[in-house]
Amino acid sequence: QQQVKQSPQSLIVQKGGISIINCAYENTAFDYFPWYQQFPGKGPALLIAIRPDVSEKKEGRFTISFNKSAKQFSLHIMDSQPGDSATYFCAASKEYGNKLVFGAGTILRVKS
Amino acid sequence: NAGVTQTPKFRVLKTGQSMTLLCAQDMNHEYMYWYRQDPGMGLRLIHYSVGEGTTAKGEVPDGYNVSRLKKQNFLLGLESAAPSQTSVYFCASSYSSSGPSGLFFGEGSRLTVL
Repeated sequence: QQQVKQSPQSLIVQKGGISIINCAYENTAFDYFPWYQQFPGKGPALLIAIRPDVSEKKEGRFTISFNKSAKQFSLHIMDSQPGDSATYFCAASKEYGNKLVFGAGTILRVKS
Repeated sequence: NAGVTQTPKFRVLKTGQSMTLLCAQDMNHEYMYWYRQDPGMGLRLIHYSVGEGTTAKGEVPDGYNVSRLKKQNFLLGLESAAPSQTSVYFCASSYSSSGPSGLFFGEGSRLTVL
């Protein structure tokens, strides 16, 4: 079973809209939650990450919201652009750990 | 500025054949990883290494072997390929953990087992 559950599987958003991808985890020992972005034919690349001592982290148009009590975290992409079209993976690990557990991925398409 | 380089990028095998995927990184990273990516499954860790001469099992190690004889190289071997091993394989490296700089991934190796 997947330790990190990600939804939705796919998402279509209009240009300028907000894209929201959600993840839930079970293991309370997880304390590092990154998001990776993958373009077709490329490997994933770190987009943004959060640790559970904060509830939100923002970098440009990308924001992670973290709810420790619900064991959920989400990625918000504001003012979504066609160039944001990619597959997004949430992940989790222990103690800045070296064994990331990934969600199943969300294919985002931003329509112009 | 190569980063993480995987070879080969594409390979077709017949069931029972063996092969080795090579990963090379030029960032002097201690940690290296092999993941496989399958539709609807995300990325799953096969094996990883925390330094030269070390290897450890990940989430889905069966049917694979690895070696880290040199710090910059991490090899993934399939001794007797099976159709279930058809996948895209990604190598990644990191300085010491998946901390602030995260994992650096190669561009993947697509393997088809007939």
